[in-house]
Order: sequence, then C-alpha cells, then structure tokens
Amino acid sequence: KAGVTQTPRYLIKTRGQQVTLSCSPISGHRSVSWYQQTPGQGLQFLFEYFSETQRNKGNFPGRFSGRQFSNSRSEMNVSTLELGDSALYLCASSLSGQRVGGNEQFFGPGTRLTVL
Amino acid sequence: GDSVTQMEGPVTLSEEAFLTINCTYTATGYPSLFWYVQYPGEGLQLLLKATKADDKGSNKGFEATYRKETTSFHLEKGSVQVSDSAVYFCALRGNTPLVFGKGTRLSVIA
Repeated sequence: KAGVTQTPRYLIKTRGQQVTLSCSPISGHRSVSWYQQTPGQGLQFLFEYFSETQRNKGNFPGRFSGRQFSNSRSEMNVSTLELGDSALYLCASSLSGQRVGGNEQFFGPGTRLTVL
Repeated sequence: GDSVTQMEGPVTLSEEAFLTINCTYTATGYPSLFWYVQYPGEGLQLLLKATKADDKGSNKGFEATYRKETTSFHLEKGSVQVSDSAVYFCALRGNTPLVFGKGTRLSVIA
C-alpha cells in the first residue's frame, strides 16, 4: 500500500507570495492533518480535515488555509508569505481522524518551504 | 492546555549502550501516548503507543510504559545501534489533536 505522498518536496518562495502544498493520503484514509515543523517551535498542529470538513484548527493566522477534496486529497495554502513561514510542512493521514483514541497517524515526508 | 515535556538533547551514546529518553505530560482525562521517530530527511514514523494506564508499548527493541501516577512515558532501549540515530518525539492525544514534545536528537557512535 502506498504511503502518504506530499508534493512538492522542496519549494523556494519570496516574501509576499502565496504557496499551495499538496498531500495524498493512504488509500482508504479519510482524515488528513497538517503540521508545521520549525527548529524553534517544534511540531505545531495546523488543521485537520475529515470527509472534506475541517474538524480542528490550530493557532495559526488566517493566512494559513486548507481544504480536502472528495478523494481525500488535501491542499494547504499560505498567502502573503513571511520569512517566519519557512518550515517543514508535514501531512498525516489516518482512518478515522484524531477523535478516535489510539488511531495511528501516518506521516508523509514533508514539504520543505523556504521563504526568502 | 495539554503539553508534553521531554528531555533536551542531543544525546550521544556508544553502540550497545542503554538508552532512556524522559517524557512527562500534562493533560486532562486519559490521553493516548505515542513515541515517533524522525530519520534525516524523512517524515515521522510511529515507533510505539499506549492508550491506557500501565500499558507498555514496544517495537524494534524500544519500550515505554504509560505511568499515570507520574504522568510519564519514558522511552527505553537496552542496546542502541548506529541505525537508531534519529530525532525522537513524545506525543499525546487527549481531547485535542496530537501535541508533541520538542524532540530529542540521538546520535549513536560505533
């Protein structure tokens, strides 16, 4: 079974631009969560989608948004990029979402975003 | 809110040494606890998990026991290998999405 895939793997943008990252979950998984990983803040939860609906949202500004399609693929968008948005963005999928205790999340390799 | 505190790294050990990475948590209710591992250039992989008090998670020689009385979930391995060099994250999920510790970088030298 194929794992979680994320595209692109690396991205370089300049301040003020916008960016869209893509995540394809494991086949049959209906939940996709996004995380931001930085050396200073560590791993921080961005949002979770389940069956095309956002179920949870982390403490990030409105410049960060996402969506999920009917095939469970998800995209996240960051508008008006700032230098501090440079990070590794990780996507994770699971069968039933984060409300189910012990439900394992499978992570993709991440997209490394650099903002210049 | 829920939080996870794990020992600061980096941790450097010789091959076949004993490993302990401490992890304590603060949460309401009865969270599930996890250890994830991140190898260079890769995403996170679930190493082991425990969903209730006194459960022991184990995988690839690593173990951790869910201790509710001390709110801890320390990771241990009896004999580390060079291939265990990675960053290890303790995490919990209670009534919130996954909350991670800051991570502990482990380097094992031959």
